[in-house]
Amino acid sequence: EIVLTQSPGTLSLSPGEGATLSCGASQSVPSINLAWYQQKLGQAPRLLIYGVSTRATGIPDRFSGSGSGTDFTLTISRLEPGDVAVYYCHQYGDSPGTFGQGTKVEIK
Amino acid sequence: QAQLVESGGGVVQPGGSLRLSCAASGFTFSSFGMNWVRQAPGKGPEWVAFVEKDEVTKSYTDSVKGRFTISRDNSKRMLDLQMNSLRPEDTAVYYCARGRGKPPQQYFDSWGQGILVTVS
Repeated sequence: EIVLTQSPGTLSLSPGEGATLSCGASQSVPSINLAWYQQKLGQAPRLLIYGVSTRATGIPDRFSGSGSGTDFTLTISRLEPGDVAVYYCHQYGDSPGTFGQGTKVEIK
Repeated sequence: QAQLVESGGGVVQPGGSLRLSCAASGFTFSSFGMNWVRQAPGKGPEWVAFVEKDEVTKSYTDSVKGRFTISRDNSKRMLDLQMNSLRPEDTAVYYCARGRGKPPQQYFDSWGQGILVTVS
C-alpha cells in the first residue's frame, strides 16, 4: 500500500501568515487521486480538496492544492483563527486508499 | 445538504460482535457508493469498507476481511457494518462517509459525526 508522510508535524503561525503543508507518497499516486481534509477538534474530517487541486463546495480560495507523482502540497493563505485544525492528505488512486498521519496547524 | 447519522457503537469484549448503522438523508442515497472509515485515538483516518450503489461491489481493508461485513438497504437509506471477532486494535471512532470518484477507492465528501467503538 502507498504510505503517505506529512510534514511538518505541527505548524505554528500568526494570523494572516501563509501555511505550506507537505504530503509525500512512498510511490507515485495514480492519476490525480489525492485529497485533503480538515479536522477540527471533536469533529469529523471535512473535505477541502480533491483531484490534487479542486476545491470542494464551499471551500474558500485561501485553500489551494498542488503537486504530482509523490509530492503534494496544501497551501493556506492568510491564516485565520478558524483554520486551527489537523489536516490530512488521502490518496485514493491505489487500493487500499490511505491517509497521512496529519499536520496540526496552530495559531500563535 | 447530505446528512449521515451513525448509531450502534459501544464497549465490547475482545471476540465479541457489534453492528453499526448509518442513516442517510438529504441526498439520493442509491446514487452513491458508501464507505466506513475509522480513526483510532490520536491517529489519522483509515478506510475500512466500501459498498457500491447497487451493492454489487464490496471491498475491505485487509485487517477486517472475513470479520466485517458492509451492507446497505437503499429503500431504507441505511448503511450497516457488522463487526465480528472484534480485537482491541479495532477500537476507534467509526465514520459513515459518502464516496465520490471512481469506485472502489474514492474520496469522501460527506461524513457522519462518528460513533465510538471500544474493544476492551
